[in-house]
Amino acid sequence: DQQVKQNSPSLSVQEGRISILNCDYTNSMFDYFLWYKKYPAEGPTFLISISSIKDKNEDGRFTVFLNKSAKHLSLHIVPSQPGDSAVYFCAAKYSGGSNYKLTFGKGTLLTVNP
Amino acid sequence: DGGITQSPKYLFRKEGQNVTLSCEQNLNHDAMYWYRQDPGQGLRLIYYSQIVNDFQKGDIAEGYSVSREKKESFPLTVTSAQKNPTAFYLCASSILALADTQYFGPGTRLTVL
Repeated sequence: DQQVKQNSPSLSVQEGRISILNCDYTNSMFDYFLWYKKYPAEGPTFLISISSIKDKNEDGRFTVFLNKSAKHLSLHIVPSQPGDSAVYFCAAKYSGGSNYKLTFGKGTLLTVNP
Repeated sequence: DGGITQSPKYLFRKEGQNVTLSCEQNLNHDAMYWYRQDPGQGLRLIYYSQIVNDFQKGDIAEGYSVSREKKESFPLTVTSAQKNPTAFYLCASSILALADTQYFGPGTRLTVL
């Protein structure tokens, strides 16, 4: 049972426009969410995170929104640049107990066209 | 220059052979992790370790083994018992108190012929 879902395998946007990547989760115990960016044949790099006590976190061109009631989060990239083209993974965890496991979605391939 | 190194970048092995993937970090992180990525799939946790000489199974530990004799090193052995070993393997580490954010190495592509 997939607990973190990224239902769009791919997304294509024009340079300068907004990219919106979506992520849904089913486990209501998750209380911390992260986005990673991954280029082919490289390891993922941490992008931005959000705690469940917040509904928005912003870092430069990247903003993550969290809607707890809908169990939905989204990553906004504004403005999108060709260098943003990569696979974006959403990840979630439950901070309680001693389990440090991150649960990842399957990823969304973002292509930013010049 | 701190970071996580994985070697080699590409590895080829014959079916039935065990193979060990290296992961070293000089970030002084307490926790280390091994993930596997398959095409069109997210990252799946194989094993993780929070302290030296201790490790726990992740979601897909069958056919794999690990050791954590040093804080800096967390090698992964892919045994002949692993039915589909060909994959991209990623090692990660984190500060134990901030285990939310894991930092990844560049990965090793293992191909079993």
